Amino acid sequence: AQSVTQPDIHITVSEGASLELRCNYSYGATPYLFWYVQSPGQGLQLLLKYFSGDTLVQGIKGFEAEFKRSQSSFNLRKPSVHWSDAAEYFCAVGAYNNNDMRFGAGTRLTVKP
Amino acid sequence: NAGVTQTPKFQVLKTGQSMTLQCAQDMNHEYMSWYRQDPGMGLRLIHYSVGAGITDQGEVPNGYNVSRSTTEDFPLRLLSAAPSQTSVYFCASSGGRRSYEQYFGPGTRLTVT
Repeated sequence: AQSVTQPDIHITVSEGASLELRCNYSYGATPYLFWYVQSPGQGLQLLLKYFSGDTLVQGIKGFEAEFKRSQSSFNLRKPSVHWSDAAEYFCAVGAYNNNDMRFGAGTRLTVKP
Repeated sequence: NAGVTQTPKFQVLKTGQSMTLQCAQDMNHEYMSWYRQDPGMGLRLIHYSVGAGITDQGEVPNGYNVSRSTTEDFPLRLLSAAPSQTSVYFCASSGGRRSYEQYFGPGTRLTVT
């Protein structure tokens, strides 16, 4: 089965600074990749997804992610972080031939004023 | 559209008790799933359904039962609650077998004492 690793449990950035959250996946074929955000006490909201085509995908709230097959990565980026971006971020991988979606353990983002 | 709704929001059970977590969606989605979220482990798939009358096991199915008699509803049953089932439970739905863009409910926080 596919799997996801998010190497950073917790990241702190200053407001206005750039952000990159790392995600590495393991899957033998072309994966379907997702980033979700979870604010405290809330459900998960989809930020962006990659199925095929252009490897740089744009999402909501100014986020983007780049699929790099050679590195098995799908890192999330934002050029300038806002205090409201403080949340937990989950990377997930799905497979074409089954409905089993696997999530990473999450990265908690703290934004310093 | 209410989207995906879950009840109750909070529940405390004693070991050995049974209960049903309710999940409903009003988007006419074929695919529905249940996840549990534990600190440091992300979301893990418990059971899923690709349509009314069809269910299958996910990553951590033991101790849970599901059924899907209608497109809208996908209840999760705990047969004999154990402290290890203390968790936050999320229900999700998506529009097709390979849509994969899942919409999440707000979650149910369950404590088993």
